Amino acid sequence: AQSVTQLDSQVPVFEEAPVELRCNYSSSVSVYLFWYVQYPNQGLQLLLKYLSGSTLVESINGFEAEFNKSQTSFHLRKPSVHISDTAEYFCAVSEPGGSYIPTFGRGTSLIVHP
Amino acid sequence: NAGVMQNPRHLVRRRGQEARLRCSPMKGHSHVYWYRQLPEEGLKFMVYLQKENIIDESGMPKERFSAEFPKEGPSILRIQQVVRGDSAAYFCASSPPGLSSYEQYFGPGTRLTVT
Repeated sequence: AQSVTQLDSQVPVFEEAPVELRCNYSSSVSVYLFWYVQYPNQGLQLLLKYLSGSTLVESINGFEAEFNKSQTSFHLRKPSVHISDTAEYFCAVSEPGGSYIPTFGRGTSLIVHP
Repeated sequence: NAGVMQNPRHLVRRRGQEARLRCSPMKGHSHVYWYRQLPEEGLKFMVYLQKENIIDESGMPKERFSAEFPKEGPSILRIQQVVRGDSAAYFCASSPPGLSSYEQYFGPGTRLTVT
């Protein structure tokens, strides 16, 4: 069974600083990879996804993530964060042709300070 | 296109009562998933349903919890004889058929408080 590790439970950062949220998964087989964001008192929203093709994927609000097969990682990055990026971020993994139920990481709380 | 709808948003029950949580998936979505979220514990999968079928209930507690997704109407997560440990946020997600089934669209959640 897949497992997803988000090593950092909390990442504090100042506004306009760069940030990286780490995600590693266990399987070496083909995977689909996702990042979800959860703002306070809301449900999760899909932020970006990797299904195939270019290993660098981007969201509309400036986040990007890179699929690294050799390191089984899918780290999320943003060059300059805003206060409004404060939220919980979840990495998730699915196996093509397998169950539609993703395996979620425990989440990383991004806290952006002014 | 309305998103995933959940109601109620907040639900307070006394120990021993029943809780019914409702979820209406996005239009065109035929897969529904229920998750439970506790502070500091992340998101826990409970059950995966398609219309009139339970596909995977491996995350559901064996007792007191049940789920359905009837041919007509919303999906229902039912918790009988609630206990304080059932207090949590319960999220429903839906996904469309095909390759996009791997993408999940979440509702705003129902926050259950058991007193």
